Amino acid sequence: SQTIHQWPATLVQPVGSPLSLECTVEGTSNPNLYWYRQAAGRGLQLLFYSVGIGQISSEVPQNLSASRPQDRQFILSSKKLLLSDSGFYLCAWSGRGAETQYFGPGTRLLVL
Amino acid sequence: GENVEQHPSTLSVQEGDSAVIKCTYSDSASNYFPWYKQELGKRPQLIIDIRSNVGEKKDQRIAVTLNKTAKHFSLHITETQPEDSAVYFCAASKVSGGYNKLIFGAGTRLAVHP
Repeated sequence: SQTIHQWPATLVQPVGSPLSLECTVEGTSNPNLYWYRQAAGRGLQLLFYSVGIGQISSEVPQNLSASRPQDRQFILSSKKLLLSDSGFYLCAWSGRGAETQYFGPGTRLLVL
Repeated sequence: GENVEQHPSTLSVQEGDSAVIKCTYSDSASNYFPWYKQELGKRPQLIIDIRSNVGEKKDQRIAVTLNKTAKHFSLHITETQPEDSAVYFCAASKVSGGYNKLIFGAGTRLAVHP
């Protein structure tokens, strides 16, 4: 069966510091991968998606970037965090050509 | 642009009552409609989904109905239990550019009181 991991689970970072969040998927090949952000008490905003290694598409302009160095690894990064980057970051995967997306456990980021 | 509206934003029911959450979508090309349940501090979990070639789908106490003409779909929970308390998100999607883009509603916070 497929599983999706994210780490760290929680993170407290100062404004202006860098960020690296990691997501890995097991038990499947060539998945589509997604990064979402959820502000406190709000809905889900799609940040990036990837259909393959090195292929990244951005949905909204922002202070973040994403990379996919391996088939089942998806990384969310920032060079300098802003207060507004605080939130719950969720990675998701779907099978190639499949509709259903499955979410990872998430990383709760607090920027102070 | 693409949009999904979800109502109500909060819903409070007594245990054993039914709960209904409604969503409308703007893109008539949407063809897949999942519902996710998110408990406090946890990840969204898929609870049921429906495709555009089906009008209704049921799984035990939950059911989803789809009206393509009106572009709206609804989640029905019968015989609610306290463990149904959570935030529920609807979404609409279509395949675009090789991936499935989900547009989420803003969520409904359901509280089931014993």
